[in-house]
Amino acid sequence: QSVLTQPPSASGTPGQRVTISCSGSNSNIGSKTVNWYQQLPGTAPKLLIYSSNQRPSGVPDRFSGSKSGTSASLAISGLQSEDEADYYCAAWDDSLNGYVFGTGTKVTVL
Amino acid sequence: QLQLQESGPGLVKPSETLSLTCTVSGGSISSSSYYWGWIRQPPGKGLEWIGSIYYSGSTYYNPSLKSRVTISVDTSKNQFSLKLSSVTAADTAVYYCARTYISSSPSYYYYYMDVWGKGTTVTVSS
Repeated sequence: QSVLTQPPSASGTPGQRVTISCSGSNSNIGSKTVNWYQQLPGTAPKLLIYSSNQRPSGVPDRFSGSKSGTSASLAISGLQSEDEADYYCAAWDDSLNGYVFGTGTKVTVL
Repeated sequence: QLQLQESGPGLVKPSETLSLTCTVSGGSISSSSYYWGWIRQPPGKGLEWIGSIYYSGSTYYNPSLKSRVTISVDTSKNQFSLKLSSVTAADTAVYYCARTYISSSPSYYYYYMDVWGKGTTVTVSS
């Protein structure tokens, strides 16, 4: 049972903006930075956002992250068909003394 | 560029020990600021962090798996390994190795996996 909660699914048409939420607690998101990973079908996860709002080199600026209190969000603007994937938030948890992943959100491009 | 490759048996019997190795190429496993970790994903389910190790041998483990997990490093071979004992069907998963960046100060704490292997499927069955 993950300590980071995400909606199971999200969807949008090409060009739309989609937002995915990630809810945690003071021991993880509330006190640590949040990371987001994208997992395309049949492939390994890929780091999408680190330190809550930083993009690694090569990640399009259509992807953006934010954090407020014990929640975080990933926004995908100008949704494209290749964005269809599973998205996971993650953070270090001080209470568990371990790294925790969110429950995951499947994004569908209609 | 840095690449990671998992290897090991694809089939393990219940109650036995799962053993996997991750070979790092294109960079040194002894790089500062980087730990080396394992993550798994059961079929159709989400990601679960297993643990990570520094080249010096310092480790972090998932508390829920800690009693059964050992992660070790061999700097001479640029490899690190995972052993998971007393496996059951619930340990059936794709196992990924990943480079993990760790940095902290009083005002921030960074911990994230920035380079991943392609993953290897391990099935626990008799």
